[in-house]
Amino acid sequence: GDSVTQMEGPVTLSEEAFLTINCTYTATGYPSLFWYVQYPGEGLQLLLKATKADDKGSNKGFEATYRKETTSFHLEKGSVQVSDSAVYFCALSDLSGYQKVTFGTGTKLQVIP
Amino acid sequence: GAVVSQHPSWVICKSGTSVKIECRSLDFQATTMFWYRQFPKKSLMLMATSNEGSKATYEQGVEKDKFLINHASLTLSTLTVTSAHPEDSSFYICSARDAMQETQYFGPGTRLLVL
Repeated sequence: GDSVTQMEGPVTLSEEAFLTINCTYTATGYPSLFWYVQYPGEGLQLLLKATKADDKGSNKGFEATYRKETTSFHLEKGSVQVSDSAVYFCALSDLSGYQKVTFGTGTKLQVIP
Repeated sequence: GAVVSQHPSWVICKSGTSVKIECRSLDFQATTMFWYRQFPKKSLMLMATSNEGSKATYEQGVEKDKFLINHASLTLSTLTVTSAHPEDSSFYICSARDAMQETQYFGPGTRLLVL
């Protein structure tokens, strides 16, 4: 079945550091790929998405490119802020009628001043 | 963006009672809604998929008689945890798929504590 693997955390960075959170996936067909963010005590928010190979999703300074050849969707940000501290989930959605979403285990990011 | 609400946001109940959680799509129609459960410091586990007007499809290992799901309208799905026990304590999150888009929108979650 479909699966998502992302790097284990927690990741601790200083403010303004460069962020990379690795994500790879296995899926049949060509899924859509997502990054969700969960701030402490809150639900999930869609951060960005890409629906086909070589698409780049971007939002709030975060970027991720759908790499079909390496089955990856790594999340990057050039300069993190304290307010970016959260748990980040990589996910994929199949293209069946139900569009079930499969999540990675989440990576906790802590940004210190 | 689209908004999905959940009610209540948190609930504490006694063991043996039933708890109903509502999930509403506020500004779009959702033919499909999903219910997830999140354990502490873990990822989300899909419990079931519900389609408006039909029976829910449960994931393997999820007891359908314990977690009753009703999707009575295009904007409302409910999850009822029947005869709740302490091991049912968790964070329950719903999502709704906009029929016009390929994106799911998540609710803020409901934290359930069973004493």
